[in-house]
Amino acid sequence: EVQLQQSGAELVRPGTSVKLSCKVSGDTITAYYMHFVKQRPGQGLEWIGRIDPEDDSTKYAEKFKNKATLTADTSSNTAYLKLSSLTSEDTATYFCTTGSLWGQGVMVTVSS
Amino acid sequence: DIRMTQSPASLSASLGETVNIECLASEDIYSDLAWYQQKPGKSPQLLIYNANSLQNGVPSRFSGSGSGTQYSLKINSLQSEDVATYFCQQYNNYPPTFGSGTKLEIK
Repeated sequence: EVQLQQSGAELVRPGTSVKLSCKVSGDTITAYYMHFVKQRPGQGLEWIGRIDPEDDSTKYAEKFKNKATLTADTSSNTAYLKLSSLTSEDTATYFCTTGSLWGQGVMVTVSS
Repeated sequence: DIRMTQSPASLSASLGETVNIECLASEDIYSDLAWYQQKPGKSPQLLIYNANSLQNGVPSRFSGSGSGTQYSLKINSLQSEDVATYFCQQYNNYPPTFGSGTKLEIK
């Protein structure tokens, strides 16, 4: 069974960065485009971007181009989302997904 | 970006009823549409892809239809476990965009 396992909840200070991980088990990560989606508390879903771990090519939503960086490590079967210059607007749950498979989500809280 | 207008925002129905949720795309998305179910505190789960293809393991009371700019999700014989928020998503053009969600409750 293929699963996506995300890293744990984060409490971070404004202005700092955070790097979230998404590990694929049961298959090789290169079989999938890995997308990341943001969901603010009580709100809808917002696509951040995707990475092709085969060649590290990326696409981002315009509003996340200076906020998010996607990387992948094929040796550990893991994709990463780095969020920089964090503000309260970044407080949300972040999901990794292949479309049909979803991680459990990781809650990021930005607070001083 | 393609705008997805989803309706209604909330819906209350009785057990055993049939419900319909609509999504209108701002341009033709050529059936590149998925429907997701999200229960409170959980990740979204894929129900339907390519507008009308049922994802493996999803009960057959869920069905999708539509073409062009207009799409719908139908739930037959509503069950208590169907209480959730439902989202549509287009993936015809980058960036993929979601509808704003429909919160389904049992009357």
